[in-house]
Amino acid sequence: QKEVEQNSGPLSVPEGAIASLNCTYSDRGSQSFFWYRQYSGKSPELIMSIYSNGDKEDGRFTAQLNKASQYVSLLIRDSQPSDSATYLCAVNYNQGGKLIFGQGTELSVKP
Amino acid sequence: KAGVTQTPRYLIKTRGQQVTLSCSPISGHRSVSWYQQTPGQGLQFLFEYFSETQRNKGNFPGRFSGRQFSNSRSEMNVSTLELGDSALYLCASSGQQGREAFFGQGTRLTVV
Repeated sequence: QKEVEQNSGPLSVPEGAIASLNCTYSDRGSQSFFWYRQYSGKSPELIMSIYSNGDKEDGRFTAQLNKASQYVSLLIRDSQPSDSATYLCAVNYNQGGKLIFGQGTELSVKP
Repeated sequence: KAGVTQTPRYLIKTRGQQVTLSCSPISGHRSVSWYQQTPGQGLQFLFEYFSETQRNKGNFPGRFSGRQFSNSRSEMNVSTLELGDSALYLCASSGQQGREAFFGQGTRLTVV
């Protein structure tokens, strides 16, 4: 059974701080990794994709991938109250359209 | 460029009935995947269609089925509805294998 695990949360950080979200996956053959943000009552929104080891930065977001440790993380710098949402880690292990999602980490950014 | 469009947005059905949900992918995207989201189970993969063929299937009973048309639009059907089928059903489209998938707004199905 291929699994994706995330910190259950909730994670609470003050406005302006760095939020760190973590994800581990079980299948070493996994090739594609994604972070989605989901506001309450809305559908998931893609915010980052990463395919190779190392860091990938996009604005205030940085995704980090370590395939040897089977670990993906998302850093949110200068966190804003509007970043308060559930963050979902997703892994594509067979290069088809099937994504396996973690349970999500709820992030709360306090003003 | 228009996003992924799902219809209807909300549905209320009675146990035993059947339901059909529709998904129009982003123009040019040929892969359409369906997911079920519930508070207890999270996001679970139902199936994926690519060029009118089912390419991947999740662990759901045969009551859940789907199809894809030549214009890449996809439909999902659930027969003999059960209370436990109440969920948010999400469709995602992707333009390349293993690459980014974009979700529609979802269809909220309530079975009473």
